[in-house]
Amino acid sequence: GAVVSQHPSWVICKSGTSVKIECRSLDFQATTMFWYRQFPKQSLMLMATSNEGSKATYEQGVEKDKFLINHASLTLSTLTVTSAHPEDSSFYICSAPDGGANQPQHFGDGTRLSIL
Amino acid sequence: DAKTTQPPSMDCAEGRAANLPCNHSTISGNEYVYWYRQIHSQGPQYIIHGLKNNETNEMASLIITEDRKSSTLILPHATLRDTAVYYCIVTGTASKLTFGTGTRLQVTL
Repeated sequence: GAVVSQHPSWVICKSGTSVKIECRSLDFQATTMFWYRQFPKQSLMLMATSNEGSKATYEQGVEKDKFLINHASLTLSTLTVTSAHPEDSSFYICSAPDGGANQPQHFGDGTRLSIL
Repeated sequence: DAKTTQPPSMDCAEGRAANLPCNHSTISGNEYVYWYRQIHSQGPQYIIHGLKNNETNEMASLIITEDRKSSTLILPHATLRDTAVYYCIVTGTASKLTFGTGTRLQVTL
């Protein structure tokens, strides 16, 4: 079945550094991908919609200069957390729909980001 | 997208059927009901979806009431591996999903 791969699965880095997370659709093409953030014991919150070949669409309250999204090909979207701080520590998850309207989303296994 | 209401938690004995309810009284005619689950520290997993007819796949059955204001996800023979948070999502587009708080299902021996 359709698979979405996310890398890395976990990362620990110092405050002030930038971290890039990759999301790949392995056996299907995705013109749109989605990025979510999940804090402990909370639900997933949609951060942004990644659009192949055009700018990402950010949800209200999400800083586009802080969370840079690039969707350079039909199988890859990247999320870069710039100048990360401890409050950016979270579980970041991507997803992509396989097929046309009303087809289910396929999710990556998430990236656990810890900023020291 | 229509809002959904789910009980915060449920318990189920292993081998028994788990019936997870979801209320979506404001659902509109073109909105589907989707179910996903999230096992601890993993990304969500798609389970099943439907518009108005009952649906069944290898994982579960989805029963939607005739007025479409509520639905029930049925796991016919729950196992310990089914312990997870189950999310019921109603949306007119499969792409943009709004996750609520879900139901934490605990399957016990």
